[in-house]
Amino acid sequence: SAVISQKPSRDICQRGTSLTIQCQVDSQVTMMFWYRQQPGQSLTLIATANQGSEATYESGFVIDKFPISRPNLTFSTLTVSNMSPEDSSIYLCSVEDRQGARETQYFGPGTRLLVL
Amino acid sequence: GENVEQHPSTLSVQEGDSAVIKCTYSDSASNYFPWYKQELGKRPQLIIDIRSNVGEKKDQRIAVTLNKTAKHFSLHITETQPEDSAVYFCAASSGEGSYIPTFGRGTSLIVHP
Repeated sequence: SAVISQKPSRDICQRGTSLTIQCQVDSQVTMMFWYRQQPGQSLTLIATANQGSEATYESGFVIDKFPISRPNLTFSTLTVSNMSPEDSSIYLCSVEDRQGARETQYFGPGTRLLVL
Repeated sequence: GENVEQHPSTLSVQEGDSAVIKCTYSDSASNYFPWYKQELGKRPQLIIDIRSNVGEKKDQRIAVTLNKTAKHFSLHITETQPEDSAVYFCAASSGEGSYIPTFGRGTSLIVHP
């Protein structure tokens, strides 16, 4: 399975500032995904990032708030812009790992964000 | 779109007992059903999955069953151990094009020694 790392692992930020989260994979993958997991909640998909095209955002998430970059097949960034305390959450990247006919999603370790 | 319901939200068992978590889905086109385990402070990790052409799959103490007609699937853990304590998420996907699952709300399993 793909090995995924994220930076930073955690951060405490002031409201109104922005934070960029990095996701690095040890192999080339077509699809990368960004999720948000609020405390005690399930996983909510923010957007899908394909290399060489604009990210596709889910309902309730917009590019101005969560700009995403995908410069190559092993790396992506998610920026949380103009943060407010409601953005406090865990942000996870994941990749789709296709093995033969099987598609499986693997998650990075997550970035714990606290906005004061 | 797909809607996945998961029950119970919390499950408390004694060590050695069995635990069952149930999920239902709404999209009859869904054909891939993974289960993830998330320990406190850790990432979700895939523990078992099943495709719609299979009714049951086992891996040591865990098993998953699927009833496509009723659109529900379940996770069974036998001989539970304290290290099984975690949040478990079910998910469903149609697998068309790319695999983007819809997750259930999670079940917090507590295994008491």
